[in-house]
Amino acid sequence: DIVMTQSPDSLAVSLGERATINCKSSQSVLYRSNNKNYLAWYQQKPGQPPKLLISWASTRESGVPDRFSGSGSGTDFTLTISSLQAEDVAVYYCQQYYNTPPATFGGGTKVEIK
Amino acid sequence: QVQLVESGGGVVQPGGSLRLSCAASGFTFSRCGMHWVRQAPGKGLEWVAFIRFDGSNKFYADSVKGRFTISRDNSKNTLYLQMNSLRVEDTAVYYCAKDPVDYNTSPNWFDPWGQGTLVTVSS
Repeated sequence: DIVMTQSPDSLAVSLGERATINCKSSQSVLYRSNNKNYLAWYQQKPGQPPKLLISWASTRESGVPDRFSGSGSGTDFTLTISSLQAEDVAVYYCQQYYNTPPATFGGGTKVEIK
Repeated sequence: QVQLVESGGGVVQPGGSLRLSCAASGFTFSRCGMHWVRQAPGKGLEWVAFIRFDGSNKFYADSVKGRFTISRDNSKNTLYLQMNSLRVEDTAVYYCAKDPVDYNTSPNWFDPWGQGTLVTVSS
């Protein structure tokens, strides 16, 4: 199974500042034949189900604010919130779908306001 | 719009059984693979099971293999999870989620998710 490791476990960022979340996979999730990284990012606000933000490591879902961006390739990925808003307080998860089953998630990163 | 509504959660003793349902609407259910994903209280996300669009193939997490059975009724637009031999560690919110790729045969990502149903295994 591919193990997904997120860092940090939590971070506190001032409103309007940048938040950076890292995700590392135990093996590459880049499929060479189509040059796509099989990685998704989710946001989970308190008391709500997860919401898909990004697929293919960097493709933002419709309706997701452009302050959210995904980057990286192979085994190292980053979710960046360029200017943190109060409504971005949540736990963020990465997930690989390169080698399934099982689909595997990172442990989550909690983002709070400083 | 796509809607997934889970039901069937509750409190059950260790060793007991429970059947969860997920009613789907707003999309062509029979084209889509479907998942169950769970989240223990205060913990992260764990994929549980996937069923192919036509029900012909099913996959399970090792932690539930042999105890849980995923199934679907495409005529009723409903997904199920039969949970037997329940353990304390199965306590979690169980979400159903749609696989985004039509006619897909193995798990991708999850979009959207239902609101979840809480299963508590306790004596």
